[in-house]
Amino acid sequence: NAGVTQTPKFQVLKTGQSMTLQCAQDMNHEYMSWYRQDPGMGLRLIHYSVGAGITDQGEVPNGYNVSRSTTEDFPLRLLSAAPSQTSVYFCASSDLAGGRGTGELFFGEGSRLTVL
Amino acid sequence: GQNIDQPTEMTATEGAIVQINCTYQTSGFNGLFWYQQHAGEAPTFLSYNVLDGLEEKGRFSSFLSRSKGYSYLLLKELQMKDSASYLCAVMDSNYQLIWGAGTKLIIKP
Repeated sequence: NAGVTQTPKFQVLKTGQSMTLQCAQDMNHEYMSWYRQDPGMGLRLIHYSVGAGITDQGEVPNGYNVSRSTTEDFPLRLLSAAPSQTSVYFCASSDLAGGRGTGELFFGEGSRLTVL
Repeated sequence: GQNIDQPTEMTATEGAIVQINCTYQTSGFNGLFWYQQHAGEAPTFLSYNVLDGLEEKGRFSSFLSRSKGYSYLLLKELQMKDSASYLCAVMDSNYQLIWGAGTKLIIKP
């Protein structure tokens, strides 16, 4: 069982560069999300999706774009990287949609991004 | 605003019992979650409470009091592998998760 797969695991960018973090899940989950985790802070929601073709902003969406063309994939794009985007990024999926279910999140292994 | 509070760090001894508290103030309530996160790894689900009371799952138990905005995670018979961060999260009225900063639990032999 692959679960949630994130790539790359590590990435170093220069300020102004763009990149895409990939996320794929094989559990047929409708709900997918991207979080960032910074020291001393709780996980913060960047963007989320409740199904293919549907995306919405979370708590900290600025500087990031997402798309959901299929149920399985939910890439996160950094448009013009800034040092403030240095963080650990987690993709997570759930069978929660429309408020149903327990909402247990299944996380990818994380992507450590450093912006110089 | 919405807020989740939990202690930053706790230390306990192998074989002992430890209780990690979580208090919350959120816009609505649709359940409270506890996740475990080992250093450098992803969070993994431990428990879910939506009704008041105690939920027991092996060595781990989770308690919820909605009227007090309070939960705790109880870990019994501590093992060295329990050294990790424990994250409390509340699902608000919009079914979005609000996360605490986590409690780093250090287990000493």
